[in-house]
Amino acid sequence: NAGVTQTPKFQVLKTGQSMTLQCAQDMNHNSMYWYRQDPGMGLRLIYYSASEGTTDKGEVPNGYNVSRLNKREFSLRLESAAPSQTSVYFCASSEPRGSGSPLHFGNGTRLTVT
Amino acid sequence: AQSVTQLDSQVPVFEEAPVELRCNYSSSVSVYLFWYVQYPNQGLQLLLKYLSGSTLVKGINGFEAEFNKSQTSFHLRKPSVHISDTAEYFCAVRTSNTGKLIFGQGTTLQVKP
Repeated sequence: NAGVTQTPKFQVLKTGQSMTLQCAQDMNHNSMYWYRQDPGMGLRLIYYSASEGTTDKGEVPNGYNVSRLNKREFSLRLESAAPSQTSVYFCASSEPRGSGSPLHFGNGTRLTVT
Repeated sequence: AQSVTQLDSQVPVFEEAPVELRCNYSSSVSVYLFWYVQYPNQGLQLLLKYLSGSTLVKGINGFEAEFNKSQTSFHLRKPSVHISDTAEYFCAVRTSNTGKLIFGQGTTLQVKP
């Protein structure tokens, strides 16, 4: 079982470039999430999708867009990358809200913006 | 809105000593509480969770946590740590009405020989 798969694992961008981080889960979960992790700040929620066709802003959505392509896939797009977006990005999935189910995380994408 | 505060950014401890990692939360609605562990260069792994019922929750690797509603705390404990427990630990809260999972800032547990 693959669980949550993120691609790419590493990426270096120049300021102003765009890219899309891909995430797919094979656990038939309804909810999916994007977090960023920065030293001393824990994980901060960027966007989440409670179910296919819906997305909501998290704590730090500025500079990002998301697409819930289908039940399996949830992508994160940086339209014009900035050095402040240098971070490790984690995708996660879980059962619907209210269930108390834990999130299952991917292994992360380490992004550097120069 | 809910929030989570981990009171210690780093906790150094000697091997076989007990440890407590502290976590406080705030929320106006009922919550689910979680502890995750992150080993170097890896993703997050669930240690344990509190949904309801008994306030003492046991998790993997000998860890346990106690939910205290009056103090809005969910501290993580282990009676005897090992070198292999060296990692970063995150407390997280999820409300039943939004489904968002909000994390604390993390606590680095450093187990010394």
